[in-house]
Amino acid sequence: EDKVVQSPLSLVVHEGDTVTLNCSYEVTNFRSLLWYKQEKKAPTFLFMLTSSGIEKKSGRLSSILDKKELFSILNITATQTGDSAVYLCAVETGRRALTFGSGTRLQVQP
Amino acid sequence: NAGVTQTPKFQVLKTGQSMTLQCAQDMNHEYMSWYRQDPGMGLRLIHYSVGAGITDQGEVPNGYNVSRSTTEDFPLRLLSAAPSQTSVYFCASSRDRYNEQFFGPGTRLTVL
Repeated sequence: EDKVVQSPLSLVVHEGDTVTLNCSYEVTNFRSLLWYKQEKKAPTFLFMLTSSGIEKKSGRLSSILDKKELFSILNITATQTGDSAVYLCAVETGRRALTFGSGTRLQVQP
Repeated sequence: NAGVTQTPKFQVLKTGQSMTLQCAQDMNHEYMSWYRQDPGMGLRLIHYSVGAGITDQGEVPNGYNVSRSTTEDFPLRLLSAAPSQTSVYFCASSRDRYNEQFFGPGTRLTVL
């Protein structure tokens, strides 16, 4: 059975802090790993990772994949209150659909 | 482009009733999926489709049916609603397996 585990489950930080969110996986026929941000409604896409060791970056957010150790991290630097959300990690397998982790709830306090 | 649209936004059903959740996309995407999201459990795949006329089961398919007669539409049918199907339902689509999935705004379903 495919499994995606995220940690921590929740996190409270202050504006300006740097956070690291973790995602580990055990799946058959790995194709890609995706990160989504979910505020009140639908998840919105952040990154898709397919190759180990190549950092993807978008503004203050970055992510990297380790296919040998089967995990990924999502970093957010200089956090802002607008970063408060649930961050979802998902893995695409050979079935071409996504298996999601349960998410990390991030709260950034002013 | 409207992207991925879902109707209705909210629905309340009684146990045993049937209904169809609608999902449509105007991006000519081949892949479409249905997920349900329950508190603390992330999103779980119900059914998915890799193209018109082709569907397959996901992780939690029991109690749900799907069909894909056109590229644009992927309705989800609840045959006989149960309280355990109270959830938020998301439809998603993607161009192909190398691209990210785009999610619809969700349908919040309550079964009494």
